[in-house]
Amino acid sequence: GEDVEQSLFLSVREGDSSVINCTYTDSSSTYLYWYKQEPGAGLQLLTYIFSNMDMKQDQRLTVLLNKKDKHLSLRIADTQTGDSAIYFCAESPSYGGSQGNLIFGKGTKLSVKP
Amino acid sequence: DAGVTQSPTHLIKTRGQHVTLRCSPISGHKSVSWYQQVLGQGPQFIFQYYEKEERGRGNFPDRFSARQFPNYSSELNVNALLLGDSALYLCASRIGDPIYNSPLHFGNGTRLTVT
Repeated sequence: GEDVEQSLFLSVREGDSSVINCTYTDSSSTYLYWYKQEPGAGLQLLTYIFSNMDMKQDQRLTVLLNKKDKHLSLRIADTQTGDSAIYFCAESPSYGGSQGNLIFGKGTKLSVKP
Repeated sequence: DAGVTQSPTHLIKTRGQHVTLRCSPISGHKSVSWYQQVLGQGPQFIFQYYEKEERGRGNFPDRFSARQFPNYSSELNVNALLLGDSALYLCASRIGDPIYNSPLHFGNGTRLTVT
């Protein structure tokens, strides 16, 4: 079946690193995504990783992918109060009629304390 | 450059009514998708279109329909509204054919409240 799982809450202090974890089930997914949603807003694409990569770094963001364990993580270095939001992990299966659809987790609410 | 734009931003309807939501993709993007996000959940896939053809449909009843126009904009229609249809409806666009899985870019959504 298709299921993306994330822990629901994470609280960190400003300046610390945040690590948000995600597990997915579909090994056919070609891309895995991280989106950010601030209150009352839509989804902002943060970063994505192709399934044949292990790691991708983009400024303060580092994505790690363990295909064997179907585990994806997002590390935010030097977390700021402006990083407080809900972070969604999403997989993109590449079989049959599901090509191009995204399957989202329930989101991890990141709270950054000053 | 303008991102994905959706209208209206907020909408209140009564059970049994019909609603039409509109979306304009990023300029140059030919594929549009619709997602429903219920409070406290992740977005759920409703429809996907590419070059005016339906390229996928999620597990939603026939009360939900959509179409894509020659200018690549799109409409989502929901008939016979139920209280459970209250949600944030998100439109997203991507540059090419969905089979190539290019990244999806989302708009800010339409908040639909059914009373």
